[in-house]
Amino acid sequence: DVKVTQSSRYLVKRTGEKVFLECVQDMDHENMFWYRQDPGLGLRLIYFSYDVKMKEKGDIPEGYSVSREKKERFSLILESASTNQTSMYLCASSLLAGGYGYTFGSGTRLTVV
Amino acid sequence: ELKVEQNPLFLSMQEGKNYTIYCNYSTTSDRLYWYRQDPGKSLESLFVLLSNGAVKQEGRLMASLDTKARLSTLHITAAVHDLSATYFCAVVDSNYQLIWGAGTKLIIKP
Repeated sequence: DVKVTQSSRYLVKRTGEKVFLECVQDMDHENMFWYRQDPGLGLRLIYFSYDVKMKEKGDIPEGYSVSREKKERFSLILESASTNQTSMYLCASSLLAGGYGYTFGSGTRLTVV
Repeated sequence: ELKVEQNPLFLSMQEGKNYTIYCNYSTTSDRLYWYRQDPGKSLESLFVLLSNGAVKQEGRLMASLDTKARLSTLHITAAVHDLSATYFCAVVDSNYQLIWGAGTKLIIKP
C-alpha cells in the first residue's frame, strides 16, 4: 500500500522558532507538494517539487522554505514561526502532474504560541 | 486566476435524504476532482471528471461536470451516517496545479 508519511501528527512551537516538517513517500514519485489547510479556505499550495533539489513556489510561499535532497523526502521549513502559521499542513506526492494520482499524508497540525 | 467556489460550506442532514454539493470555477479547466476527508484523516480521491457531461458514480455518491457552466455537482442519494465527512472539489489550473474549494462539511444524523 502506497504511503506518504508525515513525521509529526501534532506540533506546538513558540513564536520565532525554526520549525521542520518532514514528509517521506515510498512510491518513487517525482512530484511532491506542501499544502496548508485552513477552515473555510480549503487547501493552498505552499511549495512543490518536480525533482530532487528542485523547488517551485506555490500560492503562499512567504515565511516558508523547502528542501528536497532525496527523492523520497520533502521538508517544509518555517524559518521563524509566527502565530499566523498555525494550521494543518498536508504533504502529497504524485507520479504525474495536474492532479493525477495524488496521495496525501495524514497531516501535521502545527500550533505556534 | 482560477477560483473555485464550493457551496454549501456546511450541511447537516438526516439519513435517507438526498442532497447536492456544488462546485463552481471561474476559468476553463479540463479536469476536476472530488476528494473526501474524514476527521483527523488524510484526503481520499473520490472522482476525476475529464469532459463535459462526465458522470461518475460510486455507491450513494454521483459526480457530474458541466464545463460550459463551469459547474460540478456531487449528489448524495439516501444519505447514510458513514458519508459524514468533509468533501472538497479541486480544479486543475493552467499551470497543472490543483486549486481547491473551501470544502463542504457534511454531517448526517441518524
